[in-house]
Amino acid sequence: AQRVTQPEKLLSVFKGAPVELKCNYSYSGSPELFWYVQYSRQRLQLLLRHISRESIKGFTADLNKGETSFHLKKPFAQEEDSAMYYCALKPYGQNFVFGPGTRLSVLP
Amino acid sequence: DAEITQSPRHKIIETGRQVTLACHQTWNHNNMFWYRQDLGHGLRLIHYSYGVHDTNKGEVSDGYSVSRSNTEDLPLTLESAASSQTSVYFCASSESLQGAPQETQYFGPGTRLLVL
Repeated sequence: AQRVTQPEKLLSVFKGAPVELKCNYSYSGSPELFWYVQYSRQRLQLLLRHISRESIKGFTADLNKGETSFHLKKPFAQEEDSAMYYCALKPYGQNFVFGPGTRLSVLP
Repeated sequence: DAEITQSPRHKIIETGRQVTLACHQTWNHNNMFWYRQDLGHGLRLIHYSYGVHDTNKGEVSDGYSVSRSNTEDLPLTLESAASSQTSVYFCASSESLQGAPQETQYFGPGTRLLVL
């Protein structure tokens, strides 16, 4: 069965420090992976998707099929990055499977 | 601008009561979804619809029902609310391509439900 794990429920870093939010998945097919973000009192929104190989708000994520991981990284965290982050897997032709989420807190 | 809205935004009800949460989208998307968001569980799919008169059960559908009579709306009904259904509920929609739901989901603002 498809599954997404995010081992950290809460991650606290200081402003300017690097941040890495971990995501691992289990899926036998070719995965499509995404990161969604929910800022305080806002709706969930797409942050980035692996097929685009893009950098959004300084965040990047690389798909590692060998380790079945899709970790989200940013070299220098900002206070406005504080939010709930969800890793999501979309199996082909099926609905999304979301991870449990990691709350990132960037301290001043 | 196209959008997706939910109402009410907050609701408190007594155990055993029926309640319906509304979801309305103006994206003209075929696909609509209901999730519940709980600490430690993330987003879990309750029900979903790929078009008018189509409804399907998700991972946690027990105690919930939906109906899709038009493209814009997918109301979620709790027939007899239980305290375990206290949660934040999100509606989402997405486009279809060749019958398959596409990658970007657009989420509503959420409904915070408290069952006492």
